Amino acid sequence: GAVVSQHPSRVICKSGTSVKIECRSLDFQATTMFWYRQFPKQSLMLMATSNEGSKATYEQGVEKDKFLINHASLTLSTLTVTSAHPEDSSFYICSAIPGPRKRGYTFGSGTRLTVV
Amino acid sequence: GQQLNQSPQSMFIQEGEDVSMNCTSSSIFNTWLWYKQDPGEGPVLLIALYKAGELTSNGRLTAQFGITRKDSFLNISASIPSDVGIYFCAGQLRGGSEKLVFGKGTKLTVNP
Repeated sequence: GAVVSQHPSRVICKSGTSVKIECRSLDFQATTMFWYRQFPKQSLMLMATSNEGSKATYEQGVEKDKFLINHASLTLSTLTVTSAHPEDSSFYICSAIPGPRKRGYTFGSGTRLTVV
Repeated sequence: GQQLNQSPQSMFIQEGEDVSMNCTSSSIFNTWLWYKQDPGEGPVLLIALYKAGELTSNGRLTAQFGITRKDSFLNISASIPSDVGIYFCAGQLRGGSEKLVFGKGTKLTVNP
């Protein structure tokens, strides 16, 4: 149980276009999801906390107009990278807390974004 | 921001050897989690710890939540080639939000 599905696993887009990444909790409801960014050979960096039915909470230094987060249902959060540039190329990972006992945080399999 | 000091940064061992890695912080944590990440994949939860002093095993893996609530270790016994990967500790701060603080990872290489 406690599976988080992330889609797509890889995406290549042109500079200036927008890309949407989906994060779904398959067998549990997640009122809170988290979006991370990971650069090569580095740890995970929290970008934002996604709250169902309300605005996301962004970490310091993360542009909320650049990285749009929508958490419209208890099983789906989306991250849209708007007007993507090559420096946005990275590995993006979502996670969720399976409830109600909240045993650990489950992560999606990640999305490799390449902006050309 | 909050820091988790994870060590060692990398390890090169022979198959069959035991491995130990740890995380320390100056802050107090409510939860310690250990994850393994393979290349191109998301982290997979190995062990979750919720009480100070808690010692938990998962097969060949054993982890402990330090008594001071500021540290945790992960041991892997009798390593095998598929143990290769990057291991991350993560913690949830006492009195903080639900978000996790991550260590910088330990890269494990196992030579057959």
